[in-house]
Amino acid sequence: AQSVSQHNHHVILSEAASLELGCNYSYGGTVNLFWYVQYPGQHLQLLLKYFSGDPLVKGIKGFEAEFIKSKFSFNLRKPSVQWSDTAEYFCAVNGPNNDMRFGAGTRLTVKP
Amino acid sequence: GAGVSQTPSNKVTEKGKYVELRCDPISGHTALYWYRQSLGQGPEFLIYFQGTGAADDSGLPNDRFFAVRPEGSVSTLKIQRTERGDSAVYLCASSPQPSYEQYFGPGTRLTVT
Repeated sequence: AQSVSQHNHHVILSEAASLELGCNYSYGGTVNLFWYVQYPGQHLQLLLKYFSGDPLVKGIKGFEAEFIKSKFSFNLRKPSVQWSDTAEYFCAVNGPNNDMRFGAGTRLTVKP
Repeated sequence: GAGVSQTPSNKVTEKGKYVELRCDPISGHTALYWYRQSLGQGPEFLIYFQGTGAADDSGLPNDRFFAVRPEGSVSTLKIQRTERGDSAVYLCASSPQPSYEQYFGPGTRLTVT
């Protein structure tokens, strides 16, 4: 089964700083890729997804992610974070069996 | 419209007891997923239904865990002879079709004492 690695366990940034969260997966076939976010006290919500086509995908709230097939990566980026981006971020990979695998998550703290 | 709902929101049970956790997916969603999330971890896949049938149950940890979706909508996750290690948040998600984005419920926090 595929696995997903998120490189950073906890990231602390000041407002307006740029963000990049790493995600690598181990599966050689066709996959669908997702980033989910969990704000404090809320349930998981979709930030963005990649199925095919343009490898640079844009999601909600100014987030984007780039799929680099040769590196098995799907890193999440945001040019300028806000305090309200404080949350836990999960990368997920869905293979042909539709058994979605999640990374361990990265906790983002944005200082006002 | 209504999202995915899960009941109960919290369940405390004694070791060895049987528990049932319920999931109501978004109306019309054919795919339904169960996950388990422990503290500091991402959701761990348990089982996925397409319609009434379990399309993939490879994530169920052992035969104490079982899930059903008899009419293709509501699903119940059943855990027999609960152990303290079963304590976690159990998440349910639904999707219009397999491989599409999943919509998550708020979860059921299970505590086994």
